[in-house]
Amino acid sequence: DAKTTQPNSMESNEEEPVHLPCNHSTISGTDYIHWYRQLPSQGPEYVIHGLTSNVNNRMASLAIAEDRKSSTLILHRATLRDAAVYYCILGSALNYGGSQGNLIFGKGTKLSVKP
Amino acid sequence: EPEVTQTPSHQVTQMGQEVILRCVPISNHLYFYWYRQILGQKVEFLVSFYNNEISEKSEIFDDQFSVERPDGSNFTLKIRSTKLEDSAMYFCASSATPRRQFFGPGTRLTVL
Repeated sequence: DAKTTQPNSMESNEEEPVHLPCNHSTISGTDYIHWYRQLPSQGPEYVIHGLTSNVNNRMASLAIAEDRKSSTLILHRATLRDAAVYYCILGSALNYGGSQGNLIFGKGTKLSVKP
Repeated sequence: EPEVTQTPSHQVTQMGQEVILRCVPISNHLYFYWYRQILGQKVEFLVSFYNNEISEKSEIFDDQFSVERPDGSNFTLKIRSTKLEDSAMYFCASSATPRRQFFGPGTRLTVL
């Protein structure tokens, strides 16, 4: 599986935007970029995913570099509830069945939100 | 929104005992997964299940582990003879497509 690199931790102020970076210089043309997060004492939670184009949903936006070697998860207005570990994970679009979806988690970025 | 549920929330067992962790995936989902997270460490993939068979398993998922979908709604993880190092949070996940997995709240397994 292609690897990702994320900062260990980041801080943000409440109600300000947060940009969480992820480097994936060895990404292949068929790899999706997934973002999950894990709130304290909870299971991981899907945030967003994309392939080539920028994506928006009710939780966040995903900005993908033109060469796809990096991406940025954008939380438009951080709240205290957004304090979590954020994981950037690559997943191949090839094949079908369960093997396509296995998530290989790294250490992620621990986001702290200050009131 | 539909949720993945897991029971029990906390299981305490003696080393060498068998445990079964239960999960009810979201109905109409086709892909099922187990992950674990040892305290303070990364979430680790154990096994994926699709079309009533194991699709892929990690090195962690050895002969002591098995999965089953006994009745079309539950999805279970069995550990035959627990070891101290099996103590962890175990997360079940399901998905309609591999692009978005829904995780349960986890079962905390404590092996004494």
